[in-house]
Amino acid sequence: DGGITQSPKYLFRKEGQNVTLSCEQNLNHDAMYWYRQDPGQGLRLIYYSQIVNDFQKGDIAEGYSVSREKKESFPLTVTSAQKNPTAFYLCASSIERGGLSEQYFGPGTRLTVT
Amino acid sequence: KNEVEQSPQNLTAQEGEFITINCSYSVGISALHWLQQHPGGGIVSLFMLSSGKKKHGRLIATINIQEKHSSLHITASHPRDSAVYICAVPLLDTGNQFYFGTGTSLTVIP
Repeated sequence: DGGITQSPKYLFRKEGQNVTLSCEQNLNHDAMYWYRQDPGQGLRLIYYSQIVNDFQKGDIAEGYSVSREKKESFPLTVTSAQKNPTAFYLCASSIERGGLSEQYFGPGTRLTVT
Repeated sequence: KNEVEQSPQNLTAQEGEFITINCSYSVGISALHWLQQHPGGGIVSLFMLSSGKKKHGRLIATINIQEKHSSLHITASHPRDSAVYICAVPLLDTGNQFYFGTGTSLTVIP
């Protein structure tokens, strides 16, 4: 079955440590995204990538980094510079159909930093 | 100011009730998406529509492009419909970025 996998589902880290969240897709989609979700707020875009070896900052990129070395993979690193890293992180990919973009989401990773 | 506004924020209904969730947006769009997020956190796409109405089972989505408004209806609601419903619109000319509403949390009581 095609889809997006994120691992792990729950992640705990101490403050000051970098942590990398995994996102893999086998949908053959070119575009991939990382979103952050906080209670009472809509999804906010961290980074997105339209194609391999290229990515752009979203609205809240500070304290995060990404890479896109393979089409299937778009890992997100939450660095120690991120002031409030505890959140739910969602990875997505998208495909254009008839000029419209349709997004597919992974199951998410809940990160807790103490 | 949010580009996408949803109402209500929270909704509790008795099983079998007809439910309506509203979404208003302030930007030009090519299409509007309705998403469902279950308590586990994963999100699935319910509808993508650019005009008129779409139906899938007990779910119906409508959009009025002139009024910049969309509604998601659930007929004969069931406890398994309990989830957060999110409205999303893509930014024009940006390649695939989206504005997301804050979601409507629906609880259907047996």
